[in-house]
Amino acid sequence: DGGITQSPKYLFRKEGQNVTLSCEQNLNHDAMYWYRQDPGQGLRLIYYSQIVNDFQKGDIAEGYSVSREKKESFPLTVTSAQKNPTAFYLCASSPTGDYGYTFGSGTRLTVV
Amino acid sequence: GQQVMQIPQYQHVQEGEDFTTYCNSSTTLSNIQWYKQRPGGHPVFLIQLVKSGEVKKQKRLTFQFGEAKKNSSLHITATQTTDVGTYFCAGKTSGTYKYIFGTGTRLKVLA
Repeated sequence: DGGITQSPKYLFRKEGQNVTLSCEQNLNHDAMYWYRQDPGQGLRLIYYSQIVNDFQKGDIAEGYSVSREKKESFPLTVTSAQKNPTAFYLCASSPTGDYGYTFGSGTRLTVV
Repeated sequence: GQQVMQIPQYQHVQEGEDFTTYCNSSTTLSNIQWYKQRPGGHPVFLIQLVKSGEVKKQKRLTFQFGEAKKNSSLHITATQTTDVGTYFCAGKTSGTYKYIFGTGTRLKVLA
């Protein structure tokens, strides 16, 4: 079955550490996105990529970095510069154009 | 910048009652999408509206896009416990690639 796989499901990070969240899709979608969701809040866009080797900052990119070396993969690194990283991180993908997003099951990141 | 607001933020209804959530954009949208997120889950795409005044139905769910393409609504008839979750709208303006998600409406259905 096609879909998006995010790993790990839960991640604990010590202050000052960088961590990388994995996002892999086998839907052959060109576009991929990273969103952050805080408890009881909406989704805020971190980064998005329309094509391999190209990506753009979203609304809250500070403290995060991404790469898009393969069509199937769009990993997100949460750096130590992100002051409040505890949140639920959602990866999504879509075909090019106006189509609905397919979301992964998310990674819950907690800073300890 | 573009903002998308939803009201109400929370809604508790008795099973069998109707429910409506409203989505309002600060700018004219080219299209709007609706998603449902179950508690502890991830958003799932429900529908997309493109035309001014468009109305679409999915069983007990009715989606509407305003004439000015700046607002939208989702109406659920005779709610069931399976309708529990947070409903998000997401709007996009012409010339952009990204959707801006609304703040969401959390629905609780009391049996």
